[in-house]
Amino acid sequence: DTGVSQNPRHKITKRGQNVTFRCDPISEHNRLYWYRQTLGQGPEFLTYFQNEAQLEKSRLLSDRFSAERPKGSFSTLEIQRTEQGDSAMYLCASSLGDTDSEKLFFGSGTQLSVL
Amino acid sequence: DAKTTQPNSMESNEEEPVHLPCNHSTISGTDYIHWYRQLPSQGPEYVIHGLTSNVNNRMASLAIAEDRKSSTLILHRATLRDAAVYYCILRDSMFSGGYNKLIFGAGTRLAVHP
Repeated sequence: DTGVSQNPRHKITKRGQNVTFRCDPISEHNRLYWYRQTLGQGPEFLTYFQNEAQLEKSRLLSDRFSAERPKGSFSTLEIQRTEQGDSAMYLCASSLGDTDSEKLFFGSGTQLSVL
Repeated sequence: DAKTTQPNSMESNEEEPVHLPCNHSTISGTDYIHWYRQLPSQGPEYVIHGLTSNVNNRMASLAIAEDRKSSTLILHRATLRDAAVYYCILRDSMFSGGYNKLIFGAGTRLAVHP
């Protein structure tokens, strides 16, 4: 069990550029979540995948955001035409959805800075 | 989702017990109480969860009030490595989606002094 892996750890980009983040969940986990966290706040839910199906998207996920999990394994989160307000930590979590009280395992996140 | 209320910050000395409170007066009968913590520069990590009875694991204990309107996370002997933000979260087991969409608040920032 190598844990949830996120790459890159840090990303600095200029406003208007596109960025893509990758999340590799724990291998047998069928559920995958993306969260966003700004300084001093708790993580905010963005989207949820069960296997390859994206089953929920938060209203926080504007049209500039898209997430995929093509084979039910790794996932990518793309932000198009980045804005300064997109600067945040983007967290990925995975779980094995077999109980009512499942535990989420989080990665260390990708810190995005939009200049 | 039912709301939780936690103090913004708390302090403790190393090797002393720490009691982190959480109020959840609007909790429903199907809400599990989850605790996660977030160390600096890390993602949140699971600590403990419970429904009605007190729970113990190697990391902490969870004491749940009889009316379930409040709970307390207990760290028996704080270490410097326990300095983190602690989140108390209610998770509805009857949520129709069936998955564990955790809604985080701002949590309690715990400082541990040597």
